[in-house]
Formats: sequence, C-alpha cells, structure tokens
Amino acid sequence: KNEVEQSPQNLTAQEGEFITINCSYSVGISALHWLQQHPGGGIVSLFMLSSGKKKHGRLIATINIQEKHSSLHITASHPRDSAVYICAVRATGNQFYFGTGTSLTVIP
Amino acid sequence: ETGVTQTPRHLVMGMTNKKSLKCEQHLGHNAMYWYKQSAKKPLELMFVYSLEERVENNSVPSRFSPECPNSSHLFLHLHTLQPEDSALYLCASSQGTGANNEQFFGPGTRLTVL
Repeated sequence: KNEVEQSPQNLTAQEGEFITINCSYSVGISALHWLQQHPGGGIVSLFMLSSGKKKHGRLIATINIQEKHSSLHITASHPRDSAVYICAVRATGNQFYFGTGTSLTVIP
Repeated sequence: ETGVTQTPRHLVMGMTNKKSLKCEQHLGHNAMYWYKQSAKKPLELMFVYSLEERVENNSVPSRFSPECPNSSHLFLHLHTLQPEDSALYLCASSQGTGANNEQFFGPGTRLTVL
C-alpha cells in the first residue's frame, strides 16, 4: 500500500465546475506539496503547506494534520487546468512519498 | 520555464549503450534531485545532492550513476540498462534539502530502452 493515496484517479469536469482532489497519507509529515504535471512531463509546484489553508488565484489547498488529509480545490475550472495533479509528502524522517496522481480533464 | 533545463528531451538507447542525461539549474540552488516516473506509478526519488555531495541514494541499481560536478549541474550516466528502465527521468532543484524547500522541476527526459 502506498503511503500517499489520491482520489479520484481520473476526473472529467465541465468548464466552470468546482473541482476537489483528495490526498490521504499514512506517515507523519513535515510538509505536503501539491504538484501539477502537464502533458509532456514538466512539473510545477502549486502549493507547499504544513497546516491550514493556502490560496493562489483559483486554486485552494487545505490540510488537516490530525486526519492526515489534504484537499486541492479548483474554482471555476478551465480547460487549461487539464493536467495530472500529484500529492507529495515530506515525512518527518526526511523521506519523500508521492501519490500516483489525479488526471483531470476539463471539457469546454 | 522553471529555471531547470534537461537534455536531451528524448532518448532511445539499446541495452548495451552508454549515455548520459544532463540537468542544469539557473536558480542558484544548492540541492539537486533525480526522479524516475514510470507509467501508472508514483514518482520515485533516485538521488539527492546537496552542495555537490550525494546525501541520498534510494536503492538505485548501479547501472544508474549520478555525478554532480558543481551545484548547477547534475548528470545521470546510464549503462547496460534494461527495458523496464524506460521512463520519464526528471531533475529538480531547491535552495536546500529541508522540508520547507520548494522544488523546481525540469521538463524531463523521456527514455526508451530497446
């Protein structure tokens, strides 16, 4: 079993919809990252958080340390948001663990 | 553009070939990383370098040999690879290796081993 589990694995949404991607982890962490990977491979770091909530434009990330759970929300989704979203954690022992990603397709 | 470049972007090699992947960062960072991304699997951290010293080696087969000549450049030397080594190889850099350091990724090298 992977230390980081994401759901759903695949998600298709209509443009404008509110989207939520979930991440659960089983290890103690010092930080959690949300990454975005577009077709072609390049990865961009969206958020790094260790508590609470962060917002950047239409993207919101939250984390509940007690429940070992994080969510990534996209408001007013757009076709350019289509990508794979990866949850990654930095464990307290310094190891990195990655989820398998959520593939998002936003249809115009 | 993230400030991290990788060459080549695509590579096809036979099992007896020797090739090298190159990564360069223009961000003044002190830490660099190699990752492997296989289809349908999570990213796997392969190596971590901090100030040109290898600080992490995650049970990677010896047919992968990293080299970090300075804090801006990172190489991955490949020899006698297997078809299952076909994957996307990603390089990343960060200011330090602490937990709160954001990593900046390169575009990756798509490797196919025949």
